[in-house]
Amino acid sequence: KQEVTQIPAALSVPEGENLVLNCSFTDSAIYNLQWFRQDPGKGLTSLLLIQSSQREQTSGRLNASLDKSSGRSTLYIAASQPGDSATYLCAAPGAGNMLTFGGGTRLMVKP
Amino acid sequence: DGGITQSPKYLFRKEGQNVTLSCEQNLNHDAMYWYRQDPGQGLRLIYYSQIVNDFQKGDIAEGYSVSREKKESFPLTVTSAQKNPTAFYLCASSTQGSHTQYFGPGTRLTVL
Repeated sequence: KQEVTQIPAALSVPEGENLVLNCSFTDSAIYNLQWFRQDPGKGLTSLLLIQSSQREQTSGRLNASLDKSSGRSTLYIAASQPGDSATYLCAAPGAGNMLTFGGGTRLMVKP
Repeated sequence: DGGITQSPKYLFRKEGQNVTLSCEQNLNHDAMYWYRQDPGQGLRLIYYSQIVNDFQKGDIAEGYSVSREKKESFPLTVTSAQKNPTAFYLCASSTQGSHTQYFGPGTRLTVL
C-alpha cells in the first residue's frame, strides 16, 4: 500500500528565503507525482505534475524534482513571498491508480 | 465558467441526521471523487466514480453513500452511521485515466 509522508509538517521563514519541502513515498513503482497548493478553507490547486521519465519540472519560482529510486520528491520555492503562505501537499498514485496524499506542509512566509 | 462547485460551503448537522453534500462539474469529466480532510492531515478517499451509474468504495467509505445518475453530479450522503463526520469534504473530477484532478472549493461539515 502506498504511503506518502511530508516533512516538515509546518515551516515558517522570512520573506526572500529559498526553501525546500520534502515528500517521500513507499511504493516507487509510480509513473508520476503531483504537488498541490491549498489555501485555508479552500480546495486544492495543482502546481506541478512530474512524470517518472522526468527528473524535474519547473513553473515560475517553483521547481519539483523526483527521485524514484530513493522514493523522494522535493518542491523548491525560490525567493519566497508572503503570498506563498499556504499548505503544500504531494500525491502519488497508489492502489487502483488512485492518488495517495501526504499530510501536507503548512508554510508561513513572514514579511 | 468551467469548473467544480460544491454546496453548501458550511453545513451543520445534528447527531443522528443524514446530510447530503452537493458536487457538480461542467468540465465534461468522466471521473469524480470524494475526499475527506481532517485538520493537519492529507486527503483520504471516500468514494470515486469513473462512469455514470458506477462507483467504487475508497479507503474510508463506511458511513457514507453516493450516487452517480448524471455525468455532471456526484452527491455524497453522510449517514448517521458515520461516527465522526465533522471534517472538510472535497470533491474532484478528472478525465478518464488522468491523474490531474480538479478540485471544488470544499464543504465544511460540523456535527453539533
